[in-house]
Amino acid sequence: DTEVTQTPKHLVMGMTNKKSLKCEQHMGHRAMYWYKQKAKKPPELMFVYSYEKLSINESVPSRFSPECPNSSLLNLHLHALQPEDSALYLCASSQSGGPSTDTQYFGPGTRLTVL
Amino acid sequence: LAKTTQPISMDSYEGQEVNITCSHNNIATNDYITWYQQFPSQGPRFIIQGYKTKVTNEVASLFIPADRKSSTLSLPRVSLSDTAVYYCLVGDRNTGFQKLVFGTGTRLLVSP
Repeated sequence: DTEVTQTPKHLVMGMTNKKSLKCEQHMGHRAMYWYKQKAKKPPELMFVYSYEKLSINESVPSRFSPECPNSSLLNLHLHALQPEDSALYLCASSQSGGPSTDTQYFGPGTRLTVL
Repeated sequence: LAKTTQPISMDSYEGQEVNITCSHNNIATNDYITWYQQFPSQGPRFIIQGYKTKVTNEVASLFIPADRKSSTLSLPRVSLSDTAVYYCLVGDRNTGFQKLVFGTGTRLLVSP
């Protein structure tokens, strides 16, 4: 199974709402990633978890809060977002949390719209 | 991480071979080259990865000259379903994680 799943597929939220994006993989991967992608732009790295520990935070605003409950799950908690945060949020995983050339496997993404 | 430069877009016809070139002039000794494909509203999909010379798999070939300052993704006999954005990435295999920094990508349009 080389699949990364993300839920929900689409999400519409107001600026005062709290919501969460979920990502799951069952490939035994130990590194998981969140990316943000605006329309017609390349994906931008937000966070990297390795062995359930946050390893990289690309200066992401605190209204985005990542969580890695276990090695298979990755959440992104959203609170007080702005309309400019509307984007496709992609989750990815790779085999190792250490130096490697392992392939990153991406999920289909969650299309987020902030009203 | 080395920056990459790709053509913004390319057009082709079904059955043709498509070559997409990526420039990475300041590639470092430890950097490897990876290509991803992305369809609209989907996550990127790994195509191929290489360090030097030529790499071939079931879907593409990757040509890397000796100086490694550029690379070429070759897609043999493209079909309509190959219409997508293709990203070239250069990353240091010795960094702690696969910190992917996507370039602007090349939009390939395959016509009948």
